[in-house]
Amino acid sequence: GENVEQHPSTLSVQEGDSAVIKCTYSDSASNYFPWYKQELGKRPQLIIDIRSNVGEKKDQRIAVTLNKTAKHFSLHITETQPEDSAVYFCAAVFYKLSFGAGTTVTVRA
Amino acid sequence: EAGVAQSPRYKIIEKRQSVAFWCNPISGHATLYWYQQILGQGPKLLIQFQNNGVVDDSQLPKDRFSAERLKGVDSTLKIQPAKLEDSAVYLCASSSLSGGGGGYTFGSGTRLTVV
Repeated sequence: GENVEQHPSTLSVQEGDSAVIKCTYSDSASNYFPWYKQELGKRPQLIIDIRSNVGEKKDQRIAVTLNKTAKHFSLHITETQPEDSAVYFCAAVFYKLSFGAGTTVTVRA
Repeated sequence: EAGVAQSPRYKIIEKRQSVAFWCNPISGHATLYWYQQILGQGPKLLIQFQNNGVVDDSQLPKDRFSAERLKGVDSTLKIQPAKLEDSAVYLCASSSLSGGGGGYTFGSGTRLTVV
């Protein structure tokens, strides 16, 4: 089955700086890569996604890149704000949604 | 559009007791998923339904966990008997597209504590 690895497990950044989270996946058949933000005690919320026929996608301060050859994908958050503090999960989908272990992002004011 | 509904929100039981969780997906969503999220970890898929048929239950501990989705709408997940390591948040999700099409929506989850 699909195995998704996510790094780092924790990330502390100064407000205004950028944050980068990296993931790798094992199944080359995976074709959809969503990113979720989960605040304490709440459900995962989709923040951005990318499909395998696209290399990069941007939505305001958030961008995702995908390297199918290397089976890598990354989340980039620019101009971080305190409200970006949360746990972020990458995921990969072939026929089911498989999650990474999560990155706890803390934005220091 | 109404979201994915789950109940109860919280449940505390003693080990060896049984417990059941309920999920009502978004209307018209054919695919329903149950995930287990242990504190500090990513959600792990327990079972995936397409309408009322099971697509994947490879990570469901079948000696104690069972799930059903009658009439292809609501679903229940049961644990009997519960163990301490079953303490987790149980998330239900649904999607309108089968397999890897995306469009997953999660419920608020049921937080289970086994003491």
